[in-house]
Amino acid sequence: AQTVTQSQPEMSVQEAETVTLSCTYDTSESDYYLFWYKQPPSRQMILVIRQEAYKQQNATENRFSVNFQKAAKSFSLKISDSQLGDAAMYFCAYRGYSGGSNYKLTFGKGTLLTVNP
Amino acid sequence: DADVTQTPRNRITKTGKRIMLECSQTKGHDRMYWYRQDPGLGLRLIYYSFDVKDINKGEISDGYSVSRQAQAKFSLSLESAIPNQTALYFCATSAGRSYGYTFGSGTRLTVV
Repeated sequence: AQTVTQSQPEMSVQEAETVTLSCTYDTSESDYYLFWYKQPPSRQMILVIRQEAYKQQNATENRFSVNFQKAAKSFSLKISDSQLGDAAMYFCAYRGYSGGSNYKLTFGKGTLLTVNP
Repeated sequence: DADVTQTPRNRITKTGKRIMLECSQTKGHDRMYWYRQDPGLGLRLIYYSFDVKDINKGEISDGYSVSRQAQAKFSLSLESAIPNQTALYFCATSAGRSYGYTFGSGTRLTVV
């Protein structure tokens, strides 16, 4: 079964600085999708960024970018120019391309990001 | 209106009571899911459904049941609530395997 590991339960960053959240995953598949979700105090789950494993280019969405290392099974999220509104719980998630793993997202346990003014 | 609507937003119930959490969606997605979120455990899958006649257990289905009344509606029931079912419950929909989920706003359930 696929597993997703977020090794940093909590992180903090100064406003306007850059922070990187780590995520590793375990899979035997060659094709899959990876996601980062943000959960602010409002508890709404918001999709931040998505990466397709067959694409070598790292996904970017404004101040959010990923460092996808397929061989290392690593998928870190970089937040540049951190803002107070970035304070949230961040979840990494995996979805397989075929077989028994494509029907659902498997989530990590989350990283709580604090942004200090 | 939200794409995925969950009701109630918050609920406190007593041990042993039956409770239903409701979810409806306007996305037109076939795939619907129920997850629970606990601090330090992330989100875990309870049940999922690919259409009205296709319902499947997830990782932690014991103590829960579901009903897919229509393509747009997917309800989660706790037949006899117990305190360790206190959690934040999310309904989600998906357009397919290459997509992420669209989540509802969650139901915070407290069993006392």
